[in-house]
Amino acid sequence: GAVVSQHPSWVICKSGTSVKIECRSLDFQATTMFWYRQFPKQSLMLMATSNEGSKATYEQGVEKDKFLINHASLTLSTLTVTSAHPEDSSFYICSASQNEKLFFGSGTQLSVL
Amino acid sequence: GNSVTQMEGPVTLSEEAFLTINCTYTATGYPSLFWYVQYPGEGLQLLLKATKADDKGSNKGFEATYRKETTSFHLEKGSVQVSDSAVYFCALTWGQNFVFGPGTRLSVLP
Repeated sequence: GAVVSQHPSWVICKSGTSVKIECRSLDFQATTMFWYRQFPKQSLMLMATSNEGSKATYEQGVEKDKFLINHASLTLSTLTVTSAHPEDSSFYICSASQNEKLFFGSGTQLSVL
Repeated sequence: GNSVTQMEGPVTLSEEAFLTINCTYTATGYPSLFWYVQYPGEGLQLLLKATKADDKGSNKGFEATYRKETTSFHLEKGSVQVSDSAVYFCALTWGQNFVFGPGTRLSVLP
């Protein structure tokens, strides 16, 4: 099946710094990728839909200026958590569709100190 | 390790038919169980969840019961609508160990 690579798998950063998370479709082109966030022991929540070559569509309640999404090519979408704070600590996961199937990255555990 | 198995699709039903999508899991410990739905062109949305044995999750007419004895979490709806056409994913979490099933496509015909 198709492979979605997400990097890094975990990151620890200081409060106030920015963190970039990459999501790559390794063997297929993905015009649309999705970014999710999971709080401990809770469900996965859709944050935004990333569209290649255009602005991302954010879900209600998600701060566009804090969670910057760039989808500059058909194989790469990035999520940048700007000026991170401890409350941004969470598990972030991306996914992409191919042939009507959904493939997930392995996720990124972000810890903000 | 943890895993989720769900019935292969696609599933095609007529409007108002009864729906069952089977889901079974393998897990250490006591995971939380979820059903997610992906409508065409959209991202995943949480449909319902259950966090412990015998819990029943329900939403939009869909139901699923956490059956520890059979390690199952089958999704049911008594009367499907055309608007229910989507891909349905069964999933479990145990801490940060998030595991999805492969998804089942449902097509409901008018």
